[in-house]
Order: sequence, then C-alpha cells, then structure tokens
Amino acid sequence: KAGVTQTPRYLIKTRGQQVTLSCSPISGHRSVSWYQQTPGQGLQFLFEYFSETQRNKGNFPGRFSGRQFSNSRSEMNVSTLELGDSALYLCASSDPQGGNTEAFFGQGTRLTVV
Amino acid sequence: AQSVTQPDIHITVSEGASLELRCNYSYGATPYLFWYVQSPGQGLQLLLKYFSGDTLVQGIKGFEAEFKRSQSSFNLRKPSVHWSDAAEYFCAVGAQAGTASKLTFGTGTRLQVTL
Repeated sequence: KAGVTQTPRYLIKTRGQQVTLSCSPISGHRSVSWYQQTPGQGLQFLFEYFSETQRNKGNFPGRFSGRQFSNSRSEMNVSTLELGDSALYLCASSDPQGGNTEAFFGQGTRLTVV
Repeated sequence: AQSVTQPDIHITVSEGASLELRCNYSYGATPYLFWYVQSPGQGLQLLLKYFSGDTLVQGIKGFEAEFKRSQSSFNLRKPSVHWSDAAEYFCAVGAQAGTASKLTFGTGTRLQVTL
C-alpha cells in the first residue's frame, strides 16, 4: 500500500508569487490535514479536509487556502508569498470512520521563498 | 486552549543507555496523546498513541509511554537506545482519534546518541 505522497519535495519561489502544493493520501483515506513546520513556530495546523469539505481550520491568514478533490487528493495554495512562508509543509491522511486510529504523514514539501 | 510542553530541547545519551523524554500537556477534556519521531528531511512517524485504558502504552521500535493524568504528563521511554534512534521527537495532543486534525505539538526534543 503506497504511503502519503507529497509533490513537489522541494520548491523555490520568489516573494509575491503564489504556490500550489499537492498531497495524495493513502488509498481509501478521506481525511487530509496540512501542517506548517518552521524552526521558530514549530508544527502548526493549517486545515483539514474531509470528503471535499474543509472541516477544521487553524489560525492562518486567508492567503493560505486548500481544496480536496473527489479522489481525496488535496492541494494547498499560498498566495502573495512572504519570506516567512518558508517552511516544511506536511500533510497527513487518515480514515477516521474506517476504524483506523492512526494518521500517516507524508515526507513534506520544503518551500523556500526568496 | 490546549498546549504541550517538552522541556528538553536537546538530549544526548550513550548507545545502550536508557532514555526518557518528557512531555506535559494542558487540555480541557480527555486528551488523545501521541508521540512522533522525525528524521532529518523526513515526515513524522507515529511511535505510539494513548486514547484510553491502560496508561502504559507500547509503541514501535521498543518505545513505551506512560500517561499520568494527575501530573498531566505523557513521558516517552526506551530501556536501551540505539544509534538509529537519533532524531527529533514530538509529543502532541488532539481531540480526536484516527485523525491528524487540530493536533497541538510540542516544540520537540532532539536526541543525539553517542557511540
């Protein structure tokens, strides 16, 4: 069974640009959560999507958005990039209604804003 | 608001020595508690979790953790550390089982293992 796949693994963008990151969950998992990891703020919850609907949201500005497709793949978008958006972005997938109590994380996308 | 404190930023142990990583949490209801490990450049791997029941939980790679409600602690232990255990360890608290939604993580403890 393939794990959680995040693409691309590395990304360099210029301040002011926008970026889209992709997360393909484990087959059958309908919940996808996104996290931002930085040395200064640590791991912070961005949002969760379940069955194409945003179910929970963290405390991030509106520049951070996401969506989920019918095949459960999820994308997150960051518009008007700032230097402080440089981070490792992690997604995790789970199947809470399937009796599985574990969420699985991908390897992350390392975003560098210059 | 929920919070997690990992008081040790960096710990160094000798290979074969025992290990205890501390975690204290603040949560208004029954917490779901997790320990994750992260190797450089990698994502998070779940070591173990506590939802209810036996307060001593066993995880992968020989790790265990004990939930102590009176002390609001969920410390991670391993009787004999291997060099491959060198990594960063995160304690987390959440409101639901089976999802990574709205987890609050501690700041992490970096473990160094000397040979």
